Amino acid sequence: EIVMTQSPATLSVSPGERATLSCRASQSVRSNLAWYQQKPGQAPRLLIYGASTRATGIPARFSGSGSGTEFTLTISSLQSEDFAVYYCQQYNNWPGSFGQGTKLEIK
Amino acid sequence: EVQLLESGGGLVQPGGSLRLSCAASGFTFSNYAMSWVRQAPGKGLEWVSGSSSSGGSTNYADSVKGRFTLSRDNSKNTLHLQMNSLGAEDTAVYYCAKAIALAAFYYFDNWGQGTLVTVSS
Repeated sequence: EIVMTQSPATLSVSPGERATLSCRASQSVRSNLAWYQQKPGQAPRLLIYGASTRATGIPARFSGSGSGTEFTLTISSLQSEDFAVYYCQQYNNWPGSFGQGTKLEIK
Repeated sequence: EVQLLESGGGLVQPGGSLRLSCAASGFTFSNYAMSWVRQAPGKGLEWVSGSSSSGGSTNYADSVKGRFTLSRDNSKNTLHLQMNSLGAEDTAVYYCAKAIALAAFYYFDNWGQGTLVTVSS
């Protein structure tokens, strides 16, 4: 099974600043990677699939990049509603696997 | 608007059984794969089980294989997860998710609000 490792575990950023979250796969997953956002008490929400394609209704301040084993989720100018936990998930190999999450908190 | 409404969660004793259901609306249910993903308290996400659009193919995480059974009724737009021989490690919020099958697995473009399963004596 492919192991997905996210870093950092917690990221403290001020509103209006840029946040960069990382996700590393233990072997290549090509561009078959998704990002999800989860707020407390809520279900996850799909942000990005195909490593860089925004899901329907996702603001342009969210962007994804990378391929192979290294991926990045960038939030260009943090809004108050963006503070949440973010998960990456590979779907290139069976079974798919999630990272352990990065908690984005207000600095 | 896609809606996924889970039900059937609750408190069950170790070794017991529970059946979760997911009622889907707002999309053509029979055209999509579906999955259950769970989240133990304070932990991350774990895929549990998935069904092809027809229901003819189902698959399971190793952690639940042989204990859980996934089924779907495309005439009623519902997905079911029969969970047997439950243990404390199965305690989690269980999410029903609409799955997009690509590459060798899925990603999940819509999620229900989840139903809590607690296994405890």
